[in-house]
Amino acid sequence: GAGVSQSPRYKVAKRGQDVALRCDPISGHVSLFWYQQALGQGPEFLTYFQNEAQLDKSGLPSDRFFAERPEGSVSTLKIQRTQQEDSAVYLCASSHPGNSYEQYFGPGTRLTVT
Amino acid sequence: AQKVTQAQTEISVVEKEDVTLDCVYETRDTTYYLFWYKQPPSGELVFLIRRNSFDEQNEISGRYSWNFQKSTSSFNFTITASQVVDSAVYFCALSGNTGGFKTIFGAGTRLFVKA
Repeated sequence: GAGVSQSPRYKVAKRGQDVALRCDPISGHVSLFWYQQALGQGPEFLTYFQNEAQLDKSGLPSDRFFAERPEGSVSTLKIQRTQQEDSAVYLCASSHPGNSYEQYFGPGTRLTVT
Repeated sequence: AQKVTQAQTEISVVEKEDVTLDCVYETRDTTYYLFWYKQPPSGELVFLIRRNSFDEQNEISGRYSWNFQKSTSSFNFTITASQVVDSAVYFCALSGNTGGFKTIFGAGTRLFVKA
């Protein structure tokens, strides 16, 4: 079936603007993860959902970052009052029920804050 | 704390050479999983392999092989007879039972395979 999709693929925001990044997980995958990948670095964990419940948000860097998954499917990562240090690729991943260690990643959204 | 170290930032080889990508990890968890992912220029992370901490058996999949050694906390990845299409950034990653499903990634190794 279709893989994880993310939109938009590229986003340019002026400093101070709010942005919303969308993730459509693989159908039937109950677990969904968000990661932030700065240029030249490995992905860093932001937050994790199981269905609609946000079970771990320890990686969110500040209270400007907010994620939701209200119906247990599509998720949105929102960044308020963007700063230049928020520039990164934001990766979404989902995993099959009973096997949350094997995560399937989307293509990412590249956010550039100018 | 959990940590993954990939000491090789970049490796350049000529096609058909064998190449080994090193990965050293740190964890206090008794149960953990190790992963390798490939990130081609398109940017998407592609899952390659998962090993759990109780299974030290080495694995071979086509031209890919993995050597897991708990004694040295290493999980190295070898590509045999490399091809240009293997050019990508490769990430080693770790997930432990006390960290939930949070995955800790290394900084990655960029592999260039020249024709």
